[in-house]
Amino acid sequence: DQQVKQNSPSLSVQEGRISILNCDYTNSMFDYFLWYKKYPAEGPTFLISISSIKDKNEDGRFTVFLNKSAKHLSLHIVPSQPGDSAVYFCAASPKVGGKLIFGQGTELSVKP
Amino acid sequence: DTGVSQDPRHKITKRGQNVTFRCDPISEHNRLYWYRQTLGQGPEFLTYFQNEAQLEKSRLLSDRFSAERPKGSFSTLEIQRTEQGDSAMYLCASSLAGGGNSPLHFGNGTRLTVT
Repeated sequence: DQQVKQNSPSLSVQEGRISILNCDYTNSMFDYFLWYKKYPAEGPTFLISISSIKDKNEDGRFTVFLNKSAKHLSLHIVPSQPGDSAVYFCAASPKVGGKLIFGQGTELSVKP
Repeated sequence: DTGVSQDPRHKITKRGQNVTFRCDPISEHNRLYWYRQTLGQGPEFLTYFQNEAQLEKSRLLSDRFSAERPKGSFSTLEIQRTEQGDSAMYLCASSLAGGGNSPLHFGNGTRLTVT
């Protein structure tokens, strides 16, 4: 059973516009949520996280929103840049520092 | 660079052979994780250690797979009698347990191809 789902395998956005990546989860015990970015032939790189006591966390161009009642989180990138083109994974855990359950990933392409 | 290091980067082996991968975590991190990733999927959890103790194993980890972290520093993942279905990217990650906001930091993986 897929506890963390990213239903869009790909997303294409124009440079300078907003990219919105979505993620849904089913396990109400998840308490800590993260987004990772992955380039080909490299491991995932941590981007931004949010704990369940918050509904928003911002770091530069990246903002993560958490809607616990809908069991939904999203990553906003604004403005999008061509270097943001990568596969983005959302992940969740019942606690900080615990094992992560990953979604299937969304491949973002930012076109100049 | 003091990130997570994995060796080798690539391994090609014939079905039935044994393979061993090594992971060196970030030095101050006490937790070490192994994940497996296949094409089009997210990383799947295999097992993790806190110091030298193996605290959890996924049911994905058949008895052909064994992981060790003998001194609480580096870890090895061995696959015995490899099968073609074992072909995947094997990722290692480390984190600091109890360190507040402590995400997992991943290495660049070992890509295994079983022919």
